[in-house]
Amino acid sequence: KNEVEQSPQNLTAQEGEFITINCSYSVGISALHWLQQHPGGGIVSLFMLSSGKKKHGRLIATINIQEKHSSLHITASHPRDSAVYICAVRLLHQFYFGTGTSLTVIP
Amino acid sequence: ETGVTQTPRHLVMGMTNKKSLKCEQHLGHNAMYWYKQSAKKPLELMFVYNFKEQTENNSVPSRFSPECPNSSHLFLHLHTLQPEDSALYLCASSQGGLAGEETQYFGPGTRLLVL
Repeated sequence: KNEVEQSPQNLTAQEGEFITINCSYSVGISALHWLQQHPGGGIVSLFMLSSGKKKHGRLIATINIQEKHSSLHITASHPRDSAVYICAVRLLHQFYFGTGTSLTVIP
Repeated sequence: ETGVTQTPRHLVMGMTNKKSLKCEQHLGHNAMYWYKQSAKKPLELMFVYNFKEQTENNSVPSRFSPECPNSSHLFLHLHTLQPEDSALYLCASSQGGLAGEETQYFGPGTRLLVL
């Protein structure tokens, strides 16, 4: 069992839809990251958070420490948002990654 | 463009070859990382260097040998690899500190195929 579980694994949305990707983890963490990976491999760090909520443009990330859960929201989704979204957490001396959520936004 | 470059972008090698992957960051960071991403598997952190000192080695086989001559450059030396080592190898950098507690900036990756 992976220490970081993401859902859904695959997601297809129409342009303009509100999207939510979920991440659950099993033990206490010091920080949680959301990463975006485009086809071809390049990874961009979207958010790093340890509590509360962060917003950047159309992206919002929230974390609930008690429930060990984080969500990434995309408002007014656009085809250029199509990518794999990866959740990652720092647990003790390890840095663990989810398997990613593959998002396709259709025009 | 994240300020982290990797060369080569693609590499095909035989199991008896020796090759090296190079990573360079232009961000003034003090920490650099190697990651492995295999098909259908989560990213795996391989090595971490902080201020040129290796601080983490996550049970990586000795056929992978990292080298960090200065804070801007990181190498991954490869020898006698196995076909299952075929993957995307990503380099990242951050200001300096524990992996996972800072924002990291990733390079484009080297896609490695071992025949």
